[in-house]
Amino acid sequence: AAGVIQSPRHLIKEKRETATLKCYPIPRHDTVYWYQQGPGQDPQFLISFYEKMQSDKGSIPDRFSAQQFSDYHSELNMSSLELGDSALYFCASSLAFGGGVDKAFFGQGTRLTVV
Amino acid sequence: DAKTTQPTSMDCAEGRAANLPCNHSTISGNEYVYWYRQIHSQGPQYIIHGLKNNETNEMASLIITEDRKSSTLILPHATLRDTAVYYCIVRVAEGNKLVFGAGTILRVKS
Repeated sequence: AAGVIQSPRHLIKEKRETATLKCYPIPRHDTVYWYQQGPGQDPQFLISFYEKMQSDKGSIPDRFSAQQFSDYHSELNMSSLELGDSALYFCASSLAFGGGVDKAFFGQGTRLTVV
Repeated sequence: DAKTTQPTSMDCAEGRAANLPCNHSTISGNEYVYWYRQIHSQGPQYIIHGLKNNETNEMASLIITEDRKSSTLILPHATLRDTAVYYCIVRVAEGNKLVFGAGTILRVKS
């Protein structure tokens, strides 16, 4: 079965650079979530989209922005990168209002290293 | 979403059942109990969910107390590959984010 696809899997950027992470949800899923997981930390919710509209916002820095496109893929844009942005970034997708219980499935993540 | 409390870590012998408890005493009537696990640096993996009744699937069983204030995830025959961090999350079902708290580190030992 198709899973959530994230690209790239690994990314190395220098301080003050920008980065774009991409997420391709499971086909027919209408909701995308982004999470950040620092070293030794639990995943922290950043932002979510339902039907291309922002549906919830967590602890996402102002330097970050995200959107969901018409084909339901999503991109997380990160600017003025800082060393502390080094983390695993996970995307998850779900069928939020499909009539069954919503189960979110996660991608394998993008490991961002800021040097 | 209701807060959950889990043990920091647990050990289990390979081949034995692993029973992971979770307290969620402030759970609301419309909140489900979800379990996810994360094997080192991989994306969290959905295991099972339930509302009131006990549930079983190919991975695990979920036992929810009658008052819904606690639950137990059971891995019937733990293997070394079940070593992971297990997260118990309570959440309104539709379209709501998953909030990860401090999960349980399960170590399965041979």
